[in-house]
Amino acid sequence: GNSVTQMEGPVTLSEEAFLTINCTYTATGYPSLFWYVQYPGEGLQLLLKATKADDKGSNKGFEATYRKETTSFHLEKGSVQVSDSAVYFCALSEAGGTSYGKLTFGQGTILTVHP
Amino acid sequence: NAGVTQTPKFRILKIGQSMTLQCTQDMNHNYMYWYRQDPGMGLKLIYYSVGAGITDKGEVPNGYNVSRSTTEDFPLRLELAAPSQTSVYFCASSYSRDRAKNIQYFGAGTRLSVL
Repeated sequence: GNSVTQMEGPVTLSEEAFLTINCTYTATGYPSLFWYVQYPGEGLQLLLKATKADDKGSNKGFEATYRKETTSFHLEKGSVQVSDSAVYFCALSEAGGTSYGKLTFGQGTILTVHP
Repeated sequence: NAGVTQTPKFRILKIGQSMTLQCTQDMNHNYMYWYRQDPGMGLKLIYYSVGAGITDKGEVPNGYNVSRSTTEDFPLRLELAAPSQTSVYFCASSYSRDRAKNIQYFGAGTRLSVL
């Protein structure tokens, strides 16, 4: 079956540091890939997505590139802020007509940014 | 902009009690999902629905039931609560099952403890 693996956390950074959160996946066909973010006390919200190989998703200074050859979708940001402190989830949406849009999630990575 | 609304936000149950977690969305989405989030784990799909009157099991359906009588509402029923059902429950909706368009919108969650 499909699976998503994220780097172990938590991750603690100082403000303006560079962020990388690794994500690799196992899937049949050509899934879509997502990063969702969960701020404290809130539900998940979409951060960015990519639907085919070599696509780059970007939003709020975050970027991730769909790498089919390495089955990866690593999240990066050049300069993090305290307000980026949250839990980040990598997810995939299955290809194929019977998937009904189900998402498979990684375990989440807690990011804490200090001033 | 209400989006996806879940009630209650918190609940404590005794072993063997029953309860219904409510979920309603005002975006006229056909696809709705229930997930549970355990500490340090990603989200696991409990049940999903592709429209009024149509539901199906996800990865972890045991101990739960759902119904979908309207497009807006997708309640999750817990019968005979057990400590293993202590978790945070998220409801989500989407307008499309297409993997490229499947953006899921999440509620703020219900934190349930079974003691």
